[in-house]
Amino acid sequence: GQNIDQPTEMTATEGAIVQINCTYQTSGFNGLFWYQQHAGEAPTFLSYNVLDGLEEKGRFSSFLSRSKGYSYLLLKELQMKDSASYLCAVRDGDYKLSFGAGTTVTVRA
Amino acid sequence: IAGITQAPTSQILAAGRRMTLRCTQDMRHNAMYWYRQDLGLGLRLIHYSNTAGTTGKGEVPDGYSVSRANTDDFPLTLASAVPSQTSVYFCASSDSMSGPGEQFFGPGTRLTVL
Repeated sequence: GQNIDQPTEMTATEGAIVQINCTYQTSGFNGLFWYQQHAGEAPTFLSYNVLDGLEEKGRFSSFLSRSKGYSYLLLKELQMKDSASYLCAVRDGDYKLSFGAGTTVTVRA
Repeated sequence: IAGITQAPTSQILAAGRRMTLRCTQDMRHNAMYWYRQDLGLGLRLIHYSNTAGTTGKGEVPDGYSVSRANTDDFPLTLASAVPSQTSVYFCASSDSMSGPGEQFFGPGTRLTVL
């Protein structure tokens, strides 16, 4: 199984940068995903890492270190609409995802 | 239909009743999943299907059953609902044969068992 840890809550100011860390212990690894979930809505896909390094997608970047069991999601130039929960998920060899409990990010004006 | 749909949107159910949550996707994805989401616990996998005709158990399968008769539909059945099954249920699908195989989620069903 997977054990996935991420902070419960983070608060940042509009225009700032926030980094959400995720650590995992896995019995099998086949990729790490980040999802965004606004309150009352479904999760939506943000990023995917399977090799070590940084993946950049506009204002969002995700980093993976497989040897350390560590990932982070970097949100730059924060906007009010970025207030949401961010879910870290690890995929195993059977293509099943295990999710962390999620990090609620609040962006303040 | 565009993407993945779920029905009903919400339901209040008496304990002991049988309930089927419906999920349909039109993306021809091979894999489908059912999750429940509870405050503080995140998304937990109930059952999954990697292809039509096959199903597997996830992390929390007890009290739930699924079937996958065709590619598009993946219903979740609660044979005899209990209050601990009060949750938000999300169905998801993915094309695990190409690209990153990210999962696409339906809008969810909010279920309350009294």
